[in-house]
Formats: sequence, C-alpha cells, structure tokens
Amino acid sequence: DARVTQTPRHKVTEMGQEVTMRCQPILGHNTVFWYRQTMMQGLELLAYFRNRAPLDDSGMPKDRFSAEMPDATLATLKIQPSEPRDSAVYFCASGKDRGLYNEQFFGPGTRLTVL
Amino acid sequence: QKEVEQNSGPLSVPEGAIASLNCTYSDRVSQSFFWYRQYSGKSPELIMSIYSNGDKEDGRFTAQLNKASQYVSLLIRDSQPSDSATYLCAVNVGAGRRALTFGSGTRLQVQP
Repeated sequence: DARVTQTPRHKVTEMGQEVTMRCQPILGHNTVFWYRQTMMQGLELLAYFRNRAPLDDSGMPKDRFSAEMPDATLATLKIQPSEPRDSAVYFCASGKDRGLYNEQFFGPGTRLTVL
Repeated sequence: QKEVEQNSGPLSVPEGAIASLNCTYSDRVSQSFFWYRQYSGKSPELIMSIYSNGDKEDGRFTAQLNKASQYVSLLIRDSQPSDSATYLCAVNVGAGRRALTFGSGTRLQVQP
C-alpha cells in the first residue's frame, strides 16, 4: 500500500529553534508539494518540486523557510528560526506529473507547535 | 474574490439523502479539478478528479464540472454518517500550474 510518509508527526519547540520536517514521497512519483494548513488560512502551498528541481516556492517566507530534495526519496522543509505564527500542520503531497492528470496524494502531516 | 470558493457549512443532511457540495473558481484557464475529504485531525484524501465538462461517477460520488460557469460540484448519494467530514475543492489555478489552490472546505454532517 503506497503512501507518503512524514516525520515527525508532532513537534513542539520553542521560538527561535530550528525545525526540520521530512517527507518520503510515493515511489515513482516525480512531483512533491509542501502545504501548510491553519484554521485561519486553510491549506496553502509553500513549495513544489518536479524531478527534484524547485519550481514554485512563492508561498514560502524566504527569510526563514527552506525546502530541498536531496534525493528522489526525501524532501525536507526547514524553518530557522521558528516563530509562534509558524504553528500549523504541514503536509507533504506527491504525484506523477502527467500534464492535466496530476492527482496528488497527501501524507499524514507534521503538527508543529512553536511556543 | 478568492480563487476557489466554497460554502463553509455546515451542510446537514439525513442519512440516505443526497448531499450536494458546490465550488466556484475564478481563473477561466483552470483545467484540473479535485475533491478531497478530510476527517478531523487527518490529512486530505483524494476522492474524485474531473477534467472535462459533464459528470463523472465513482460509486456513490458524482463530480460535475461546468467550465463555462466556472463551477464544480460533488454529489454524494445515499449519505452515511461516515461521510461526515470536511470536503475540500482543489483547482490547478492557471494554465500549466501543478500546485493546487484549495477552497476553505465545506463541513458535511450526516444525521443518523
């Protein structure tokens, strides 16, 4: 049963600390997305990769957030330094880029709390 | 105007009824449309995708797309209490864009 996996599932940290979230996309998928979900803003795109290359990170605060794909099986999202307003659920999703037919499948999410 | 709009609900229907969920989008060049179901505390789960005008059926679910009216809907037949969740409409806004823009979701409650 192919699934997107994310670690950690929960993270509580203090303001100013570095946070690293990891995602393993479904084997064979070549697109990876990072989304953030809050009650106020809903689901928002942070970054998007295709074949490991970053294509869109316009939704990401550049001064503190960074996203990378060191290899095809690992995507990372880092926040440094973290702030209380970063508290949210961070989802990774993956899919096969087939033009129009680009269904995305979500991982379980990382629930981040910054105190 | 939001790029993808949904009525937040809650939409309450009795068990066995048809639930109708609606979504409008602002960008005329959008070509891919998706419905996700999200249970409280869980991640979004893809339940339907639709790419051309008309209806697409899968089990108890039917997605309907009208590009001229910029409108996409989801019908759930024979609603069950287990269908109670938030339903998110998602659109590839803009030509060639792969990332999804989500509506705020409609909360559905199916009353036993």
